[in-house]
Amino acid sequence: KAGVTQTPRYLIKTRGQQVTLSCSPISGHRSVSWYQQTPGQGLQFLFEYFSETQRNKGNFPGRFSGRQFSNSRSEMNVSTLELGDSALYLCASSQSQGYGYTFGSGTRLTVV
Amino acid sequence: AQSVTQPDIHITVSEGASLELRCNYSYGATPYLFWYVQSPGQGLQLLLKYFSGDTLVQGIKGFEAEFKRSQSSFNLRKPSVHWSDAAEYFCAVGAGDDKIIFGKGTRLHILP
Repeated sequence: KAGVTQTPRYLIKTRGQQVTLSCSPISGHRSVSWYQQTPGQGLQFLFEYFSETQRNKGNFPGRFSGRQFSNSRSEMNVSTLELGDSALYLCASSQSQGYGYTFGSGTRLTVV
Repeated sequence: AQSVTQPDIHITVSEGASLELRCNYSYGATPYLFWYVQSPGQGLQLLLKYFSGDTLVQGIKGFEAEFKRSQSSFNLRKPSVHWSDAAEYFCAVGAGDDKIIFGKGTRLHILP
């Protein structure tokens, strides 16, 4: 069974640009969550999608958005990038909360 | 609001020694509890989870954790650590359709 696939693995962007990250969950998993990981803040919850609907949202500005498609694949978008957006962005999928998450390897975003 | 506290940022143990990583949580109902491990540059891997039943749960790689409701704790233990256990460990809490929140992590160092 394929794991959670995140693309791209690495990304370098300039301040003010926008970026789209992609996540393909494990087949059959309908829940996809996104986290931002930085050395100072740790793992911070961005949002969760379930069956194409945003079910939970973290405390991030509106520049951060996401969506989920009918095949459960998810994308997150960050507009007007700031230096502080440099982080490892992790996607995780699950059958349901009680099963825990399976994480992808992440996308390392560097904003210069 | 749900929260997770991992009081130890770094822990160093000798190879072959026992290990206990502490985790305290705050949650309004009976939570789901998780421990994850992250190796450098990688995503997170689920070690074990608790959501009901026996309060002592066994996980992969010889880890176990005990849920103590009276202390709001879910400490991770291993009787004998191996050099390959050096990594960062995250405790997490969630329930139902709530988002899963992670602690800031404990980095484990192993002395040869």
